[in-house]
Amino acid sequence: EVQLVQSGAEVKKPEESLKISCKGSGYTFFSYWIGWVRQMPGKGLEWMGMIFPGDSDTRYSPSFQGQVTISVDKSINTAYLQWSSLKASDNAMYYCARTSSPWSGLDVWGQGTTVTVSS
Amino acid sequence: EIVLTQSPATLSVSPGERATLSCRASQSVSSKLAWYQQKPGQTPRLLIYGASTRATGVPARFSGSGSGTEFTLTISSLQSEDFAVYYCQLYNNWPFTFGPGTKVDIK
Repeated sequence: EVQLVQSGAEVKKPEESLKISCKGSGYTFFSYWIGWVRQMPGKGLEWMGMIFPGDSDTRYSPSFQGQVTISVDKSINTAYLQWSSLKASDNAMYYCARTSSPWSGLDVWGQGTTVTVSS
Repeated sequence: EIVLTQSPATLSVSPGERATLSCRASQSVSSKLAWYQQKPGQTPRLLIYGASTRATGVPARFSGSGSGTEFTLTISSLQSEDFAVYYCQLYNNWPFTFGPGTKVDIK
């Protein structure tokens, strides 16, 4: 079965760092892009960026460039989204999802990781 | 950066009726457009890609059309499980923007 499994919910304080993960299985991990999508409480979907595990080519939405870092460890079929200094405005659900190369729709989604930032 | 707008914001439909959702792009995206369904508390699900190709397992009552800047998602006969929020997304070029969504609720 093709699936993406994300790390568990996180509760952090402002200015703390965080790295969440997304592990792929059931398919050739390095042949598909992995994207990250934010959904703030009660709001719509926002595209953050994506990475191609085959060569680590990484693209960011201008809205998130410099705010987060996307990375990958091919050896363990895992992509990451990280923050160096969290803000309260980072409170959201974060999804990873895969898309093919060449680009197509996001056909497989992780279950989501809730990030709560509160002092 | 290309902007997607969706209309209406909310669509109230009775079960069994037809629903027509619109997505408009500020510049041409060719046919590089996808549609997703998201039910409350659930992960988004890919319905349509390439503007008109149904994803695996998607019922035939869902259909997509359009190209360039104007796109439509049609649900031919709404079932109870179809009441959800629907998003369009472009992927012709970076960034892969989502539209703001259309909520389909029960009339």
